[in-house]
Order: sequence, then C-alpha cells, then structure tokens
Amino acid sequence: GQSLEQPSEVTAVEGAIVQINCTYQTSGFYGLSWYQQHDGGAPTFLSYNALDGLEETGRFSSFLSRSDSYGYLLLQELQMKDSASYFCAVKGSARQLTFGSGTQLTVLP
Amino acid sequence: GAVVSQHPSRVICKSGTSVKIECRSLDFQATTMFWYRQFPKKSLMLMATSNEGSKATYEQGVEKDKFLINHASLTLSTLTVTSAHPEDSSFYICSARDGTTGGEKLFFGSGTQLSVL
Repeated sequence: GQSLEQPSEVTAVEGAIVQINCTYQTSGFYGLSWYQQHDGGAPTFLSYNALDGLEETGRFSSFLSRSDSYGYLLLQELQMKDSASYFCAVKGSARQLTFGSGTQLTVLP
Repeated sequence: GAVVSQHPSRVICKSGTSVKIECRSLDFQATTMFWYRQFPKKSLMLMATSNEGSKATYEQGVEKDKFLINHASLTLSTLTVTSAHPEDSSFYICSARDGTTGGEKLFFGSGTQLSVL
C-alpha cells in the first residue's frame, strides 16, 4: 500500500516563506507531485519531481529526496491568494497518483 | 493548457434516484480518466480509472454496480451514481492526463457537489 503524511494546517503572513513537508511510504516510486486546491475548486498542478533535488517554478519550489522518502513544497513571498489546500501525491507502482491528506495554508495579512 | 470540463457542478437529488456526471477533455484526447471522491477538508480518494473502450478499473472498496463508469470516446467519461443514498453525498472530481504534451500533469475538472436528500 501507499501512505503519505503532511501537516494538516500551516499559517504564515504575507511576504513570508513557508515549507510544507511530505513523507511517503510506497510500493514502487516514480515521482512526487504537488497540487493546489482552493475551496470548492479543482486541484491544479504545481510541480513534479522524479529525481532528487530542487525544482523551481517562480515563487514555488519543490524538493525530493528519494533515499529519505521525503519531499517539500516551498512557497516564497506569500500572497493572500496562496491560501489554499496543498496536496502531495505519489506516483507508485500502479502508475496512479495517491494523494496525501492535504495541508491547509492560511496566509494572514 | 489542457482543459477538462465536468458537469454538472452541483446536483441535488432524492434518495433512490440515479445521477450522471460527465467529464470531457476539451482540447486533447484522454484514453484514461480518473474519478475521485473528496470529503470536506479531506484528501482525494481515487475511485476508479476509466479506460476508453474497455471496462473501468475500480479501487478496492468501491462498488462497481453503484458507481457505473462509461468511457465511450477519447474525450468523454461518465460516472453514474445509481440508486443514490445520503451517504453518497460528496464532491466528485474527474481528471485526465494529456499524454501528448502534459507530461505528469493531471488536469482536473471543476468537480460535482452531489447532495442526496
């Protein structure tokens, strides 16, 4: 089976940097993805890491360490619109995505 | 980018009736689509993988006869909740991958909030 752990809630202020961690246990591993979901909306893709290291896309970066079964999403220069749920998701041996339980990020003014 | 359209966005029905939800890939062909169920403040739980021209693959614990999936074309998959009951009330979301240009990115529909009275 597969399981993922991420914090349920994170709060930060505008302009700050926040890191959302994700640890996983999987049978087979192809990659780690991150998705953002605003209340009542559709999840949107943020990043995908198949190899170790840091991937940067604008204000968002994602990191993966396969040996530690660990990754994180780093959000810089936080804005109010970044308030949302963030899900890590693992692509395992079944080639399907298994999602974590999500981290609710609240950005305060 | 690729767009996935899902309808209806919200449906309220009486217990015992059936509800059909449509998921369309608007500008790409999707041989595979995924159906998820999401409870408030919870994760997306994969229900089934919809395969064009063949039977869907259901996850353990998902009733095949209750959640009927049809993927008759490369751009349309439907989920029918048969004989719906209040416990079926949930947010249902479909997704698809653009195998040509999307890489590992999943494109999601906007979801359907089902309320069974």
